[in-house]
Amino acid sequence: NAGVTQTPKFQVLKTGQSMTLQCAQDMNHEYMSWYRQDPGMGLRLIHYSVGAGITDQGEVPNGYNVSRSTTEDFPLRLLSAAPSQTSVYFCASTKQGMNTEAFFGQGTRLTVV
Amino acid sequence: EDKVVQSPLSLVVHEGDTVTLNCSYEVTNFRSLLWYKQEKKAPTFLFMLTSSGIEKKSGRLSSILDKKELFSILNITATQTGDSAVYLCAADSNYQLIWGAGTKLIIKP
Repeated sequence: NAGVTQTPKFQVLKTGQSMTLQCAQDMNHEYMSWYRQDPGMGLRLIHYSVGAGITDQGEVPNGYNVSRSTTEDFPLRLLSAAPSQTSVYFCASTKQGMNTEAFFGQGTRLTVV
Repeated sequence: EDKVVQSPLSLVVHEGDTVTLNCSYEVTNFRSLLWYKQEKKAPTFLFMLTSSGIEKKSGRLSSILDKKELFSILNITATQTGDSAVYLCAADSNYQLIWGAGTKLIIKP
């Protein structure tokens, strides 16, 4: 089973560049979310979606956009990369809401220079 | 402000020891407390706790929640080198998870 597939695994961007992190799940989960993980700070929620066509902001949404045109896909767009966005990004999905078992992608290590 | 605090931040023990990891929380509209294990990559689910005083157990790992004192503990008995990881707890608040910074556990052979 593929579970949650997240690409790319590594990326280096120059300040001001844009890019899209891809996330796809094949479990027919309604709820998907994007987190960033920085040293000593745990996971912080960027954006989340409770179903196709519905997205909402999390704790740290500035500089990021998302869309959810299908149940399976939930891409994260960095509009104009900044060094402060250097982090490890995780996509996660759950069947219904985050108070159930979440399945995480393998992460994207992003460096903005 | 919602917050989840884990202690200790790091812990080094020898194989066979028993460890207790702590997670305290202050969140609005608390629904559940979740524990995850993170090795090199993605976090993997361990437990979800919703009721006080009911222990959840899986092999050598167990966890309990105290909703009056707002904390949870994760116990690992007879530790093995494969238990080395970062252990994360998160509180479900208003349909979002608030995460602690994690406890880095190192098991020495």
